[in-house]
Amino acid sequence: AQSVTQLDSQVPVFEEAPVELRCNYSSSVSVYLFWYVQYPNQGLQLLLKYLSGSTLVESINGFEAEFNKSQTSFHLRKPSVHISDTAEYFCAVSEGGGTSYGKLTFGQGTILTVHP
Amino acid sequence: DGGITQSPKYLFRKEGQNVTLSCEQNLNHDAMYWYRQDPGQGLRLIYYSQIVNDFQKGDIAEGYSVSREKKESFPLTVTSAQKNPTAFYLCASSIYGQPNQPQHFGDGTRLSIL
Repeated sequence: AQSVTQLDSQVPVFEEAPVELRCNYSSSVSVYLFWYVQYPNQGLQLLLKYLSGSTLVESINGFEAEFNKSQTSFHLRKPSVHISDTAEYFCAVSEGGGTSYGKLTFGQGTILTVHP
Repeated sequence: DGGITQSPKYLFRKEGQNVTLSCEQNLNHDAMYWYRQDPGQGLRLIYYSQIVNDFQKGDIAEGYSVSREKKESFPLTVTSAQKNPTAFYLCASSIYGQPNQPQHFGDGTRLSIL
């Protein structure tokens, strides 16, 4: 069975500083990886996804994540954060394979707080 | 604009009462999902449906029921058997049978006990 661990429940950081939100997963088959962002009292929005190909994926708002198969990790990074990046971030895994229906397994979430 | 609409945004339940949360999508997705979100626990799957008139239990189905009579709609009933219903409930949809496709989420319903 697949599982996802987000290693930090809360990450405080100052504006314009770099940030890394860590995500590790376990699975016995090939996986697809996602990062979602959730603003207060809203649903989840897709931030970026890794399906295949280049192990570095980028979002339109400056976030990037790198798939590391040997370390089973998919850490999210941003070189310079803004106040508006304050939100909760979820890492999620979907297993490939013929019997998969697309079930997503989520990590526990990381609350990113950007201070001025 | 295509999307998922959940209603109501806030809901209060009295002791012994069943309440129903609405979820409607116009994305033409076959698969729909219900999740429960509690602080620090991520999202846990309650029920999912891959096609009309069919649905499956997720990881925490006890105390909940669903129906899928139309492709666009997947209502969730929180029954009186659910002893700790206070949570944020999220509905999602996706393309059927495509694990490489993301799920799309509604804005959630926050359920509290009176």
